[in-house]
Amino acid sequence: GENVEQHPSTLSVQEGDSAVIKCTYSDSASNYFPWYKQELGKGPQLIIDIRSNVGEKKDQRIAVTLNKTAKHFSLHITETQPEDSAVYFCAASKGKDGNKLVFGAGTILRVKS
Amino acid sequence: NAGVTQTPKFRVLKTGQSMTLLCAQDMNHEYMYWYRQDPGMGLRLIHYSVGEGTTAKGEVPDGYNVSRLKKQNFLLGLESAAPSQTSVYFCASSYSSGGAGTQYFGPGTRLTVL
Repeated sequence: GENVEQHPSTLSVQEGDSAVIKCTYSDSASNYFPWYKQELGKGPQLIIDIRSNVGEKKDQRIAVTLNKTAKHFSLHITETQPEDSAVYFCAASKGKDGNKLVFGAGTILRVKS
Repeated sequence: NAGVTQTPKFRVLKTGQSMTLLCAQDMNHEYMYWYRQDPGMGLRLIHYSVGEGTTAKGEVPDGYNVSRLKKQNFLLGLESAAPSQTSVYFCASSYSSGGAGTQYFGPGTRLTVL
């Protein structure tokens, strides 16, 4: 089955710097890659996603890139702010059989002001 | 529009006790899911449903049962709780098409089994 690995497990950056989180997946049939942000005591919330027919997608300070050949995708956050501090999860799906998601283990992002 | 809601928010059980977690969604989503979240392991799928009256096993189904008698509700049951089931449980829902894949999560239920 699909396996998603996520790195780093923790990331500390200074406010205003950029943060990059990387994920690799094992199943070449996966075609949907969302990123979720989870704040303390809350459920995960979708922040951006990308499908396999697109190489890059951007939404204000957040961008995601996908390299299908290498089977990896990355989350880029620019001009980080204290409110970006949270746990971030990547996931992968083949878009069938219930659109099941396989999640990475998560990255704790700390933005120091 | 409340989205996905979960009941209860917290629960403490003794080993061997049973309980049911309730998930409700008001977005008319066809698909619903139950996950557990443990430190350092991300979210792991327990069971899921692709429609009213249907259920299927996920990655870690042992010790859990589910039912989807109504489209808007998805119940997760623990028949005989074990300490290994101490976790945070999340329910999610999604459309089956037209933006399929985006899952919307509830706020979670923190379960402790003593």
